[in-house]
Amino acid sequence: AQTVTQSQPEMSVQEAETVTLSCTYDTSESDYYLFWYKQPPSRQMILVIRQEAYKQQNATENRFSVNFQKAAKSFSLKISDSQLGDAAMYFCAYSEDTGNQFYFGTGTSLTVIP
Amino acid sequence: DAGVIQSPRHEVTEMGQEVTLRCKPISGHDYLFWYRQTMMRGLELLIYFNNNVPIDDSGMPEDRFSAKMPNASFSTLKIQPSEPRDSAVYFCASSLGYGHSPLHFGNGTRLTVT
Repeated sequence: AQTVTQSQPEMSVQEAETVTLSCTYDTSESDYYLFWYKQPPSRQMILVIRQEAYKQQNATENRFSVNFQKAAKSFSLKISDSQLGDAAMYFCAYSEDTGNQFYFGTGTSLTVIP
Repeated sequence: DAGVIQSPRHEVTEMGQEVTLRCKPISGHDYLFWYRQTMMRGLELLIYFNNNVPIDDSGMPEDRFSAKMPNASFSTLKIQPSEPRDSAVYFCASSLGYGHSPLHFGNGTRLTVT
């Protein structure tokens, strides 16, 4: 079965600084999709960014960007100019082409220090 | 688009009682998923439906749990009888079912069984 590993249970960043959250995954597939979800204290799961494995270009969404290394099976999330509202749990997720199964990591709790 | 709607937002019940959680997926989404989130086990997939048909219920913990999707706009997750170890946040999510299509989550139901 596919596995998604987030090795950093907790991270902290100073407001306005940059932080990178790590995610690795295991798969034998060549086509798949990767996602980062944010879960603030309100507990709503919010899609932050997604990446198609067949695209070499790293996805970006405003202050959020990814570093996708397909050969290394690595998918890290970079948050630039961190804001207090970025404080949340962040989950990395993997999905195959059928889109029927999503595999989630255990999450990284991000604290933003004012 | 109202997003995925779950009710109730909070549920407190006594051990042995029946609990019913409700979900309305996003219109047009063919896939509906029920997840359970706990500190110990993270996000666990309980069951998912495609076009109202249960496809994979291997994540359902035991016979006390059952899920139905009588039509494309409504699903229920029932626990009977409930036990304290069922206390968790239960999420419903829907998607279009293609690999690039992300999961759209509801706000979750926090269940507390005393």
